[in-house]
Amino acid sequence: AQSVTQPDIHITVSEGASLELRCNYSYGATPYLFWYVQSPGQGLQLLLKYFSGDTLVQGIKGFEAEFKRSQSSFNLRKPSVHWSDAAEYFCAVNRDDKIIFGKGTRLHILP
Amino acid sequence: EPEVTQTPSHQVTQMGQEVILRCVPISNHLYFYWYRQILGQKVEFLVSFYNNEISEKSEIFDDQFSVERPDGSNFTLKIRSTKLEDSAMYFCASNLRGGTNEKLFFGSGTQLSVL
Repeated sequence: AQSVTQPDIHITVSEGASLELRCNYSYGATPYLFWYVQSPGQGLQLLLKYFSGDTLVQGIKGFEAEFKRSQSSFNLRKPSVHWSDAAEYFCAVNRDDKIIFGKGTRLHILP
Repeated sequence: EPEVTQTPSHQVTQMGQEVILRCVPISNHLYFYWYRQILGQKVEFLVSFYNNEISEKSEIFDDQFSVERPDGSNFTLKIRSTKLEDSAMYFCASNLRGGTNEKLFFGSGTQLSVL
């Protein structure tokens, strides 16, 4: 069964605009949730993670994500994107002590 | 920040050939992983390795795959007889204490192309 769904394969936003990348998960217990970013030629870098507590988590590079149990979602947001944010973004969930990734959303930035 | 290093960045091989993908995890890390990403698909777990043995493997990790930590610094993934469907980006990762509550450090990947 698919554990993590990222419904948008590609997203294009203008530089300076706000961003929201969607992620839904299917998992019985309260999951550990992650967002990773992969810039061209780079490895996967952890942006932020949610384990428990405050449902709004802050990450690196100005990103934040909100865990909404009622919607089984963990959407990634940034108030103002920069050209350097162009990359592929992966939502992930732990399951059986392994990280299960979504298919990714490729973010394009218009100048 | 410390880095996981993978070599080569791109490997091209003929179907049926053996390939070895190399990784140098972060020096004090104890848990090592291989993931792969077929083009257009999600990143998939292959195998985890701790204390010189496989701790877990996915159904993808069949008898054609093996891992080894030959010298205390390198962590290798061997594919004995490559198939076209093995073409993918292979990521090595490591962390200090294992488990998904510990940050995983990923390498930049090796793009394997099987012709």
